[in-house]
Amino acid sequence: DVKVTQSSRYLVKRTGEKVFLECVQDMDHENMFWYRQDPGLGLRLIYFSYDVKMKEKGDIPEGYSVSREKKERFSLILESASTNQTSMYLCASSLWEGPNEQFFGPGTRLTVL
Amino acid sequence: GNSVTQMEGPVTLSEEAFLTINCTYTATGYPSLFWYVQYPGEGLQLLLKATKADDKGSNKGFEATYRKETTSFHLEKGSVQVSDSAVYFCALSPPAGGYQKVTFGTGTKLQVIP
Repeated sequence: DVKVTQSSRYLVKRTGEKVFLECVQDMDHENMFWYRQDPGLGLRLIYFSYDVKMKEKGDIPEGYSVSREKKERFSLILESASTNQTSMYLCASSLWEGPNEQFFGPGTRLTVL
Repeated sequence: GNSVTQMEGPVTLSEEAFLTINCTYTATGYPSLFWYVQYPGEGLQLLLKATKADDKGSNKGFEATYRKETTSFHLEKGSVQVSDSAVYFCALSPPAGGYQKVTFGTGTKLQVIP
C-alpha cells in the first residue's frame, strides 16, 4: 500500500521555537509539496520540490523554508514559529510524468502558543 | 491564471438522498480534473479523476464527467450514506507533465444525517 507519512499528527510549540515537520513517501515520486490548510481558505501551497536539493516557492513561502536531501523525504522548517502559523500542514507527492495526481499524508495539526 | 470554483457548503442531506456538488473551472487547454475527499482528521485522498473531455471518472458510487463546453466537473452520487460525510475538493492540473501546480477549490463540506 503506497504511503505518504508525516512525522507528527499533532504538535504544540511556543512562539519563537524552530519547528521541523517531516514527510516521507515510498512511491519513488519526483515531486513533493507542502500545503497549509485553513478554514475558508482551502489549500495553499507553501513550497514544492521536483528533485533532490531542488525547491521552488509556492504561494505563501514567507516564514518557511524546506529541505530535500533524499528523494523520499521533504522537510518543512519554521525558523521562528509565530501564532499565525497555527494551521493544518499537509504534505503531498506526485510523479513527474502524467496528470499530477497528488498523494497526501494524514496532516500535522500545529498549534503555536 | 487557473481557478476552480465549487459550491459553498455545508451541504446537509438525508441518507439515500441524491448528491450534486458543482465545480467549474478556468484554465487554458485541457487540464486534468480531480475530486479529492477529506474525512475528519485525515489528509486528502483522490476520489476520482478525468484527463480529457467527455471522460467520466467514477469511484465508490461517485461520478463526475469532464464537460469542456461548460468547463464543469460536477460530482454526483445517487444515494449518499452517513459514511460519505466529509469535505470534497475539486482540483485541476495543467495538461503538461513535469511540475505543474494543482489548483484546488475551497472545499464543500457534506453532512449526511440518518
